[in-house]
Amino acid sequence: GAVVSQHPSRVICKSGTSVKIECRSLDFQATTMFWYRQFPKKSLMLMATSNEGSKATYEQGVEKDKFLINHASLTLSTLTVTSAHPEDSSFYICSASGQGVQTQYFGPGTRLLVL
Amino acid sequence: DQQVKQNSPSLSVQEGRISILNCDYTNSMFDYFLWYKKYPAEGPTFLISISSIKDKNEDGRFTVFLNKSAKHLSLHIVPSQPGDSAVYFCAASAQNAGNMLTFGGGTRLMVKP
Repeated sequence: GAVVSQHPSRVICKSGTSVKIECRSLDFQATTMFWYRQFPKKSLMLMATSNEGSKATYEQGVEKDKFLINHASLTLSTLTVTSAHPEDSSFYICSASGQGVQTQYFGPGTRLLVL
Repeated sequence: DQQVKQNSPSLSVQEGRISILNCDYTNSMFDYFLWYKKYPAEGPTFLISISSIKDKNEDGRFTVFLNKSAKHLSLHIVPSQPGDSAVYFCAASAQNAGNMLTFGGGTRLMVKP
């Protein structure tokens, strides 16, 4: 099956610093990658959609200058949380889908804690 | 307004019996439906999907049924195993909407030995 990895799996950072999360498709070319955030006891909330080589499309209410997304290759997308604050603490999950494929395959998630 | 709903927040089933998880949707543009299994602090794991041109898809112990007229789908797991205990999300997408997934709220399945 399709495998998506995320790194790091968990990160603790100080308020005001930036954190980068990587999402990689290991055995397929991901033309589209998605970034989600999950709040406690809630379903996944889509933050943004990125197509390889294009600017990400952000969902309403998600600050694009706060959450920088780069999808520079068909196997890698990065999410950078800039000037992180404690309210940014959350579980961030990426997913990926290939050309013409409607199934999204999810990464294992990254737990971010901002102190 | 929730376009995908899972009305049962939890379900408890005896090991060896059938688990039936239900999902309803309202958007008639959805043409692809998926079920994911999720453990706490992990990403969802893809289980099975079905296209709107079909009414049934089977993969091992998992079968998904789609009733387009009722805008309803269900996931059957038989026989249920304790390792199936997790939260199950149904999701729907539409090709003309960039394949973005709309998730239901999830159903927690507990399979008792």
